Amino acid sequence: NAGVTQTPKFQVLKTGQSMTLQCAQDMNHNSMYWYRQDPGMGLRLIYYSASEGTTDKGEVPNGYNVSRLNKREFSLRLESAAPSQTSVYFCASSGDGTGDYGYTFGSGTRLTVV
Amino acid sequence: SQKIEQNSEALNIQEGKTATLTCNYTNYSPAYLQWYRQDPGRGPVFLLLIRENEKEKRKERLKVTFDTTLKQSLFHITASQPADSATYLCAPDSSGGSYIPTFGRGTSLIVHP
Repeated sequence: NAGVTQTPKFQVLKTGQSMTLQCAQDMNHNSMYWYRQDPGMGLRLIYYSASEGTTDKGEVPNGYNVSRLNKREFSLRLESAAPSQTSVYFCASSGDGTGDYGYTFGSGTRLTVV
Repeated sequence: SQKIEQNSEALNIQEGKTATLTCNYTNYSPAYLQWYRQDPGRGPVFLLLIRENEKEKRKERLKVTFDTTLKQSLFHITASQPADSATYLCAPDSSGGSYIPTFGRGTSLIVHP
């Protein structure tokens, strides 16, 4: 099925551990995004990639790095996980920079840092 | 800084009635505004986009209005059904020209049979 695929769906990390969240889309979209969603905070943009080969910081980039591996894939890396990074992470993609057709979201990765 | 406000209290309505959700924004003028639906444990799903020069947009039982003077968007679901129960997110585009939406915290809608 066409859409955005995120892996893993669940993850528990110890403080200081590292991990990479994977995201892939098969809709030939140019732009991809990483958001985090915390209770009472709504979705906050971490990083985005307007096109293959470019990445930019969003609202809350500290503690994260990203890689736009190719047009399909956009990964999010936590180098040294902290409890404050416990959250639900969503990857999204869009084919039009002005958002005419909205964003397509993945099903999320639930990350707990202990 | 830009601020988006959605009613944090859940909206409870009876099946068949019209649900109206409110999104207010301050300190900027978005070029467009999107509405999404989010079910528990799932990612948001895009519903509608309305541009600043559009007063109203409809899609099946959904209607969105955009009042740039009041800095407000209203989201209506007519003939509501229990299956419409979900959290609805308002997402105006960000200031600064990037056109990336900034999401409100969402309003939970509960439709009772």
